[in-house]
Amino acid sequence: GQNIDQPTEMTATEGAIVQINCTYQTSGFNGLFWYQQHAGEAPTFLSYNVLDGLEEKGRFSSFLSRSKGYSYLLLKELQMKDSASYLCAVLDSNYQLIWGAGTKLIIKP
Amino acid sequence: NAGVTQTPKFRVLKTGQSMTLLCAQDMNHEYMYWYRQDPGMGLRLIHYSVGEGTTAKGEVPDGYNVSRLKKQNFLLGLESAAPSQTSVYFCASSDTAESNQPQHFGDGTRLSIL
Repeated sequence: GQNIDQPTEMTATEGAIVQINCTYQTSGFNGLFWYQQHAGEAPTFLSYNVLDGLEEKGRFSSFLSRSKGYSYLLLKELQMKDSASYLCAVLDSNYQLIWGAGTKLIIKP
Repeated sequence: NAGVTQTPKFRVLKTGQSMTLLCAQDMNHEYMYWYRQDPGMGLRLIHYSVGEGTTAKGEVPDGYNVSRLKKQNFLLGLESAAPSQTSVYFCASSDTAESNQPQHFGDGTRLSIL
C-alpha cells in the first residue's frame, strides 16, 4: 500500500528553526508537495520538489532524497502566524496526490 | 480573486437525506477534485475530473456521485447521507496533473450527518 508518515505534532519557539520530516512509500514518484493549513481553512501551497536537494523560498526550505523516500520542511525565524498544520503529499505514478495526515506545529512565545 | 468557491460552507443533514455540494473555479483549470478530510487522516480523494464532461473515481468514491457539466463547476452529490460521511469536504483545481502545478483549494464544506 501507499503510506506517508509525518509527526502528529511539534512545538517550537518564536524566532527559532524547526524541521518537519516526511517519509513516504508510494507506487511511483512524480514529485512531493508541502502545503500549509491553518485551522479551519483551506490548504495552501508551499513548495514542490521532484529532484534531490534543497529548494529555498524565503524563510521556508524543502529538501528531498528520493533514494531514502524522505523529505523535510525547514522553517526559519518562526513567527506566531506559522502556527498551522503542514501537509506532505506525494504525486504517485497515476499522478494522484497521496496525502500525509499532517503535522500540527505549535509556536510558543 | 475568487479562485475556488465552495457552497455551502456548513450543513447539517439527517441520515438518508440527499444534498449536493457545489464547487466553482474561475482559473480555467482543466482538473478538479473532491477530497474529504477527517481527524488524524490525510486528505482522501473521492472523485476527480480531468475535463468538462469527464469524471473518475478516487480512493473513497462509495456513497458519492459527481458531475462536471461545465468546465468551471464540479458537483458532489450524496444520495443517501450516512453518519460516516460526516467530514470536511474540500474541492480543488489544477491546471494539469502531470507537472509541478499545485492544486488550489476552496475553503471547505463542513458537513454533519445526524
